[in-house]
Amino acid sequence: EAGVVQSPRYKIIEKKQPVAFWCNPISGHNTLYWYRQNLGQGPELLIRYENEEAVDDSQLPKDRFSAERLKGVDSTLKIQPAELGDSAVYLCASSLRTNLGNEQFFGPGTRLTVL
Amino acid sequence: DQQVKQNSPSLSVQEGRISILNCDYTNSMFDYFLWYKKYPAEGPTFLISISSIKDKNEDGRFTVFLNKSAKHLSLHIVPSQPGDSAVYFCAAKDGGSQGNLIFGKGTKLSVKP
Repeated sequence: EAGVVQSPRYKIIEKKQPVAFWCNPISGHNTLYWYRQNLGQGPELLIRYENEEAVDDSQLPKDRFSAERLKGVDSTLKIQPAELGDSAVYLCASSLRTNLGNEQFFGPGTRLTVL
Repeated sequence: DQQVKQNSPSLSVQEGRISILNCDYTNSMFDYFLWYKKYPAEGPTFLISISSIKDKNEDGRFTVFLNKSAKHLSLHIVPSQPGDSAVYFCAAKDGGSQGNLIFGKGTKLSVKP
């Protein structure tokens, strides 16, 4: 069974440019998460989807970040415009359901460098 | 303020010996705890978990202990192997909210041959 797929794996952009990350979760997983991991820190949740609905986006900086999961399967996270402080690894994860202790499966992440 | 704390950024252990990784938390509403392991350039992978109604869970070489009164959990790896060298993240789930995971900063384990 394929794991969580993310692309691109690496992205280098100039500040003020837009950038987008794509995630395809494990088949059948209806919960999808986007995390940001800064250097030396643990992952921090940005947004959580149940199917196509964003049920928790309280930590998403909405002035420049947006996300979508239109058909309840794959998802895109966008930053526009990017700032120097956005340099981090952006991780996507999926799970079967949220509140049953089901483990989250993570993708390899996208390492973003903003110059 | 950090709700999940891993106070040791790194740990070095000899192959065959026991590795003990520690984690403290502050939120008494956490009802489920997980350990994730992360190799460089890969995403975290699930290792072992424990519910707050238990005090121990064992899976092969890995055992997690939970001390609710002290708000402390630990991961024991016995015996340690060089392939265990990775960053280990402690995570907690808040049963009172939407069940999101709160991660610690991680501990980098190095197992020397």
